[in-house]
Amino acid sequence: GAGVSQSPSNKVTEKGKDVELRCDPISGHTALYWYRQSLGQGLEFLIYFQGNSAPDKSGLPSDRFSAERTGGSVSTLTIQRTQQEDSAVYLCASSYSQGLDGYTFGSGTRLTVV
Amino acid sequence: DAKTTQPTSMDCAEGRAANLPCNHSTISGNEYVYWYRQIHSQGPQYIIHGLKNNETNEMASLIITEDRKSSTLILPHATLRDTAVYYCIVFAGGTSYGKLTFGQGTILTVHP
Repeated sequence: GAGVSQSPSNKVTEKGKDVELRCDPISGHTALYWYRQSLGQGLEFLIYFQGNSAPDKSGLPSDRFSAERTGGSVSTLTIQRTQQEDSAVYLCASSYSQGLDGYTFGSGTRLTVV
Repeated sequence: DAKTTQPTSMDCAEGRAANLPCNHSTISGNEYVYWYRQIHSQGPQYIIHGLKNNETNEMASLIITEDRKSSTLILPHATLRDTAVYYCIVFAGGTSYGKLTFGQGTILTVHP
């Protein structure tokens, strides 16, 4: 596709439920990133995938968060047993290699935990 | 630890140049300066990046001081659609993995 696609664009879930957020990166981009943005806050790094290397999970806030990237393309961010503090916009970005040409972000998934 | 410092907010009149400063006094020799902006309810958008030379593209110009400790993003003729949060980021790239660290950015408001 022409850009990074994220789905769903909006998700409302009940506290304690699991959610899956999907990211389709730009074709050919080897690097994929997940960020989180809470209301009025800057972007918080969550996880980074680069090719076949082990992902950098250093930004995941708890073990309720996990992500995978299948076939070097589509990625899924899973949040188990959601809490109200998980409410945020979850942004995905992709880039060539180490990103020297800049990152392309998707429009994000707005997650609301009620 | 904040690697860049930006003013919290700035105003600019439509049609005028918007000059957004950024301090990055601890920048390393292999780190680039990147600028992104985020318009309300959208994901961040790449604007421009540079290492030590000034850069220009269809969106903006980037002026980096000779000691590389600060830079200025210039939007030559600001429009109302340029109202956004502007992020200045330093990033090594190359053999370093690509985790961008975003600060609070500058809220630029372009008014008629």
